[in-house]
Amino acid sequence: EAGVAQSPRYKIIEKRQSVAFWCNPISGHATLYWYQQILGQGPKLLIQFQNNGVVDDSQLPKDRFSAERLKGVDSTLKIQPAKLEDSAVYLCASSPLAGGLHEQYFGPGTRLTVT
Amino acid sequence: AQSVTQLDSHVSVSEGTPVLLRCNYSSSYSPSLFWYVQHPNKGLQLLLKYTSAATLVKGINGFEAEFKKSETSFHLTKPSAHMSDAAEYFCVVSDPGFQKLVFGTGTRLLVSP
Repeated sequence: EAGVAQSPRYKIIEKRQSVAFWCNPISGHATLYWYQQILGQGPKLLIQFQNNGVVDDSQLPKDRFSAERLKGVDSTLKIQPAKLEDSAVYLCASSPLAGGLHEQYFGPGTRLTVT
Repeated sequence: AQSVTQLDSHVSVSEGTPVLLRCNYSSSYSPSLFWYVQHPNKGLQLLLKYTSAATLVKGINGFEAEFKKSETSFHLTKPSAHMSDAAEYFCVVSDPGFQKLVFGTGTRLLVSP
């Protein structure tokens, strides 16, 4: 089966610009996650969707980050305006159901560099 | 809140020698614990998981981990390292009630010929 797809794989922008990342989860997976992985750290959950509803966005910087999952399938994560500290790899993951007991399948990530 | 501490940022081994990656956890509840591996330019992949069944958990590619409640540890081991094992390894905790994965900072495994 096809894995989690993400695009673009790499993005370089200047601070104060905007950027968007796209994720297409594994077909049939109800739960979708966005993580931020800063160099030298483990991934940190930004937002979790169950179908097209938000389950947890407690660690999403809502003043500049937004995410949507229209129709409960693919998802877009946006940053506007970007800051230097947003340089990181943005990982998308999906799982059949919500909950830590269910394996999450990760995409290859989008590496963002903010200059 | 739950958390994990990976005690080594880098571990170097020779091919064919044993691997030990150390992880300690902190959780107010009976935790679920995982090890994920991340190869360069590839997505994170689940190696194994502990969910309160057998304390010795076997995973893919010959890896296993033992849950020790008295030591709050969940160390990852492999009897004989292969070159292809070189990657970043993450210890992860999830409290079933909170349904969220919390990652450690990672251990980079280097395997030399």
